[in-house]
Amino acid sequence: GQNIDQPTEMTATEGAIVQINCTYQTSGFNGLFWYQQHAGEAPTFLSYNVLDGLEEKGRFSSFLSRSKGYSYLLLKELQMKDSASYLCAVRPITGNQFYFGTGTSLTVIP
Amino acid sequence: DGGITQSPKYLFRKEGQNVTLSCEQNLNHDAMYWYRQDPGQGLRLIYYSQIVNDFQKGDIAEGYSVSREKKESFPLTVTSAQKNPTAFYLCASDQRNNEQFFGPGTRLTVL
Repeated sequence: GQNIDQPTEMTATEGAIVQINCTYQTSGFNGLFWYQQHAGEAPTFLSYNVLDGLEEKGRFSSFLSRSKGYSYLLLKELQMKDSASYLCAVRPITGNQFYFGTGTSLTVIP
Repeated sequence: DGGITQSPKYLFRKEGQNVTLSCEQNLNHDAMYWYRQDPGQGLRLIYYSQIVNDFQKGDIAEGYSVSREKKESFPLTVTSAQKNPTAFYLCASDQRNNEQFFGPGTRLTVL
């Protein structure tokens, strides 16, 4: 594995902002991906970072620091439908695999 | 519409039986993957294939087998040697260095 760590659970309020962190250790790096997975469904792609900095996509943004082995997913204006598991995944330079973290289960409350 | 299909959505198996899960993609992707997901856990890689007629074991390949005779198809067989097969199985595909696309999954239950 690639030692990918995410918090197990988070709770946030509707309309608020939440930041989900992900740290990783890998000898070579070819991109960091964030996926959203609702219960019983397949993961869907949210964002991709390969260079340092912030990528913004509507209410979702993802940040990467390669030197620190750190990424976060920022969700703004939270909606109830954002309640889901958020998976961080790393693609190393060698091989063709993705390595997934165990996911962060986000619960949005009214 | 391009995408990945998996069938069946729900599958029940008796202990000691082999069962094959289907995965088909029309995205023209070279690479295909099989993952297993258990409740409250992340995705664990079973097998992957980067080109036709070639595949590699992932982290938990024991008790599983695959074939890649066509670019579009990557079936997974869960054999009787897999001691704890009840899980959610996800098939995915990608083109190198891009994001993975997932099928809807098959939930396998051993009775």
